[in-house]
Amino acid sequence: GAVVSQHPSWVICKSGTSVKIECRSLDFQATTMFWYRQFPKQSLMLMATSNEGSKATYEQGVEKDKFLINHASLTLSTLTVTSAHPEDSSFYICSALRTGGLSPLHFGNGTRLTVT
Amino acid sequence: KNEVEQSPQNLTAQEGEFITINCSYSVGISALHWLQQHPGGGIVSLFMLSSGKKKHGRLIATINIQEKHSSLHITASHPRDSAVYICAVRSADSNYQLIWGAGTKLIIKP
Repeated sequence: GAVVSQHPSWVICKSGTSVKIECRSLDFQATTMFWYRQFPKQSLMLMATSNEGSKATYEQGVEKDKFLINHASLTLSTLTVTSAHPEDSSFYICSALRTGGLSPLHFGNGTRLTVT
Repeated sequence: KNEVEQSPQNLTAQEGEFITINCSYSVGISALHWLQQHPGGGIVSLFMLSSGKKKHGRLIATINIQEKHSSLHITASHPRDSAVYICAVRSADSNYQLIWGAGTKLIIKP
């Protein structure tokens, strides 16, 4: 089956540093990947839609300069949280859509970010 | 009113009970997804439906396009089924736009 690998699964960083999260589709090509964040006991919130080779589309209220998304290949999208602050502490999860046609969603296992 | 409504928000049941989670939507869709999120956070895609009914093990998903309604059923529920179940629809206007339900937190007691 289709697998999406997300790395790291957890990270603790100091306030002011940047953190990069990778999302890879291991056995399929993903033209589109989605990045979500989830606060405790809340539902997933879409942050941005990432299309290979073009700029990501950010949802309203999501700072594009703070959450940098790069989708340089059909199998890799990265989310960089720049100048992280404690309020950025959250669960970040990606999903990937196989290229072409109507296909299921495949999710990474998520990254728990803690900013101290 | 949200475009995707799930009910109930929370459900606690005894092991072995038949479980039904409902999802109603108000937009045109190309597909509907049922997803499962365990306490650790990982999300598993259970079903993608465009019409009719799908079955996988003890899980059954149905969709009625005319009524804009889908149900997820769990037969012979087990404590390991405890999770948050999320309905998400893929907008007919865009293959990539997903509209998410708020999720149903299911607890199955032994």
